[in-house]
Amino acid sequence: GENVEQHPSTLSVQEGDSAVIKCTYSDSASNYFPWYKQELGKRPQLIIDIRSNVGEKKDQRIAVTLNKTAKHFSLHITETQPEDSAVYFCAASIRGSSNTGKLIFGQGTTLQVKP
Amino acid sequence: NAGVMQNPRHLVRRRGQEARLRCSPMKGHSHVYWYRQLPEEGLKFMVYLQKENIIDESGMPKERFSAEFPKEGPSILRIQQVVRGDSAAYFCASSPNSGNTIYFGEGSWLTVV
Repeated sequence: GENVEQHPSTLSVQEGDSAVIKCTYSDSASNYFPWYKQELGKRPQLIIDIRSNVGEKKDQRIAVTLNKTAKHFSLHITETQPEDSAVYFCAASIRGSSNTGKLIFGQGTTLQVKP
Repeated sequence: NAGVMQNPRHLVRRRGQEARLRCSPMKGHSHVYWYRQLPEEGLKFMVYLQKENIIDESGMPKERFSAEFPKEGPSILRIQQVVRGDSAAYFCASSPNSGNTIYFGEGSWLTVV
């Protein structure tokens, strides 16, 4: 069925280190892969996204890579800072039988950046 | 350009009462999505609507839950005869078209006592 798996569920790094979060998806027709950051009690906010015609995208300290053959994509945060601490969600557009392109989210990764 | 507006932000209901959550999409957006987030869990898709149409309700519980997006006014997620398990954050999101970036509102936190 429609599924997005995200790992790890928790991640603790030292300030300045890199953090990597990985997701896999099941629908080979998926063509849009956004990442959201959610702070406690707040709404999810888009931080970066990638489409299936691109293998990698970078925005300052954040980058996303996509491997369509293997059906997985990853978020890379370099030079982490305490304010990067939050829950990160990956998502994939799922066409499915209804062909609606809705987003299905991974289970989330709680990132803790220690000063 | 105002973002996605949701109200109420917090709602307390007794078991058996009804909860109505409202969502006004961003200006120019005609696609609305509702997601539910249980405490310390992820975002679960509930329903996808366009004006006057339910496009995909595959994530909606079969009973007690309904959603609409009328020609005029906000989208409404309605939960009848609430139970404690309905306690969650309900996020609305909107987009200008299908399969594209969606922008979330601040959420409505429902507590059933």
